[in-house]
Amino acid sequence: DAKTTQPNSMESNEEEPVHLPCNHSTISGTDYIHWYRQLPSQGPEYVIHGLTSNVNNRMASLAIAEDRKSSTLILHRATLRDAAVYYCILRDRFNNDMRFGAGTRLTVKP
Amino acid sequence: DTAVSQTPKYLVTQMGNDKSIKCEQNLGHDTMYWYKQDSKKFLKIMFSYNNKELIINETVPNRFSPKSPDKAHLNLHINSLELGDSAVYFCASSQDRGRVDTIYFGEGSWLTVV
Repeated sequence: DAKTTQPNSMESNEEEPVHLPCNHSTISGTDYIHWYRQLPSQGPEYVIHGLTSNVNNRMASLAIAEDRKSSTLILHRATLRDAAVYYCILRDRFNNDMRFGAGTRLTVKP
Repeated sequence: DTAVSQTPKYLVTQMGNDKSIKCEQNLGHDTMYWYKQDSKKFLKIMFSYNNKELIINETVPNRFSPKSPDKAHLNLHINSLELGDSAVYFCASSQDRGRVDTIYFGEGSWLTVV
């Protein structure tokens, strides 16, 4: 399985942008980059995914490096409700099932 | 309407008992999963079913047996419960097993074995 590396934890102030990094240096050309998050006491929820181009949706933006060996999840204005564990996951053609790493615990300070 | 629902949400039981957790999805998806999140918060896939057929069976003790009566349901039976089975169990579903399919998770079932 391709692996991802994320910081264990990050802090942000409310109303400020947050950039959550993810390294995936062994990514293959057909791997999709997915981001999920898990709010306290809830199941994981989908945030965004991409392959090569940057992606935007109502929740976040995903910036993918040109060599695809890293990506950054961008929350444009963090709110207290964005405090969660954020998981960066690669999904490949051989193993399509979601396999989670340790993720990044985001704390948002008021 | 809850897309993926699990029951019970909380379960406290004694060692050696047999228990079941039920899961239902109303999204019309073909694939369902069970994940386990232990005390260290690592989420691990246990089983994956596609159209009622077992696809993934990770190295899970055979005391754990999933049962899928139809595409919309995937129940988890656990026999002879042990202390180490205490965890949060998440059911999930997706349209298929493709690389872009979004996986929808239930809210979890908190199992405590005493």
